[in-house]
Parts: sequence; structure tokens; C-alpha cells
Amino acid sequence: SAVISQKPSRDICQRGTSLTIQCQVDSQVTMMFWYRQQPGQSLTLIATANQGSEATYESGFVIDKFPISRPNLTFSTLTVSNMSPEDSSIYLCSVGQGFLNEQFFGPGTRLTVL
Amino acid sequence: GENVEQHPSTLSVQEGDSAVIKCTYSDSASNYFPWYKQELGKRPQLIIDIRSNVGEKKDQRIAVTLNKTAKHFSLHITETQPEDSAVYFCAASGADAGKSTFGDGTTLTVKP
Repeated sequence: SAVISQKPSRDICQRGTSLTIQCQVDSQVTMMFWYRQQPGQSLTLIATANQGSEATYESGFVIDKFPISRPNLTFSTLTVSNMSPEDSSIYLCSVGQGFLNEQFFGPGTRLTVL
Repeated sequence: GENVEQHPSTLSVQEGDSAVIKCTYSDSASNYFPWYKQELGKRPQLIIDIRSNVGEKKDQRIAVTLNKTAKHFSLHITETQPEDSAVYFCAASGADAGKSTFGDGTTLTVKP
């Protein structure tokens, strides 16, 4: 499976600021996704990061709040903008790979907003 | 869109017993059903998966069954061990391969 890294692994941020999370994969992948996991909750898909075009957002998530970049087939960023305490979560990138498009996750970024 | 329901939310078993977690899905177009194990503070790890053209799949102590007609699938863990204790998530995906809808998770505790 692909080796996926994320930066930062964790951060504590002030309300109203923005944080950009990076996701790097060690091989080219067609599909990259960003998920949010709120404390004690399941995973919720934020958006699909498309290479060469705008990201596709799920219901309840908008580009102004979660702008995404996908400059190439191995890298993507997610920005959490104008943060509030409700944005405190783990943010995970994932990739689809293999014949069955199995999904593998990065280690996550634990964000705390004060 | 797809909706995945998972039961039970918590499950406690004695070491050596079996554990069963059940999920239902709503979208008949879904065709791929993975299961993930998430230990505290770690990322979800794919442990087993099944395609809609298969009814059952087994990998050592874990197995997954799928009833496509009834739109439900289950995870079976036999001879449970304390290290099986974790949160387990089922998921379903369809035409958008790799894009999954997750169940709410089951916290499994295996008592030694």
C-alpha cells in the first residue's frame, strides 16, 4: 500500500486563524480524499481532491471554509479557514489504490482550536 | 446519498469468544464494503473488505459476509484476543471508487 504522510501531526490554533495541512503520498494516485473525524465520532468525507481541477465538496462543506489544492498526483493540501472551536478534529487524507480501489489513510492531523 | 448504519455501538466479549458487528447500507449501487480497525490515537487500518459479487470472505480469524439483497454485511471475529480491542468501522462505496460512507463505529472490548 502507499505510504502517506501528513504535516503537521498536530497543532493548537487560535480562533479566527487558518491552518494548512499537507498530505504527501510516495506514489502517484488518482484519487485523494480529505476526511474529518470529530472527537469520538466516525469519519466524514469533506471533499475529493481532483488533480487539475477544483475539489468536489460533500454536503455541508464549502470551498471558502476548506480550500483544497491538488497540484500533482502525489500531493494535496487542505486549509481550515477562520477556525472556531467546532473545527477541533482529526483531519485525515486518504488515497484510493489498487484494483479494488482500497482506501488507505494518512496518520491524521489533530487540530485543537482555542 | 449512501447511508450506513452500524450495530452495536459497543460490544464487550470474553477473550476467546466470537464478536459480530453488523452494518446495513441504503444505496443499491454500492459495491465495495471495507472494514477498518482504529486503535486509540491511530489512523483507521483496512482489515478486510468484500465486493458485491462475493458473499463471504475470510482471513484467518476475521470474516465478512454480504447479503446484497438485504443490503447488509457483517464482520465476524473468532477467538478474540485483547489486542482486538479497538473501534471498528464499516463503510460502503460505489461508483465513486475510494469515496466511502462510514458507519458510526463499534467499540469492541475483549476482556482477558
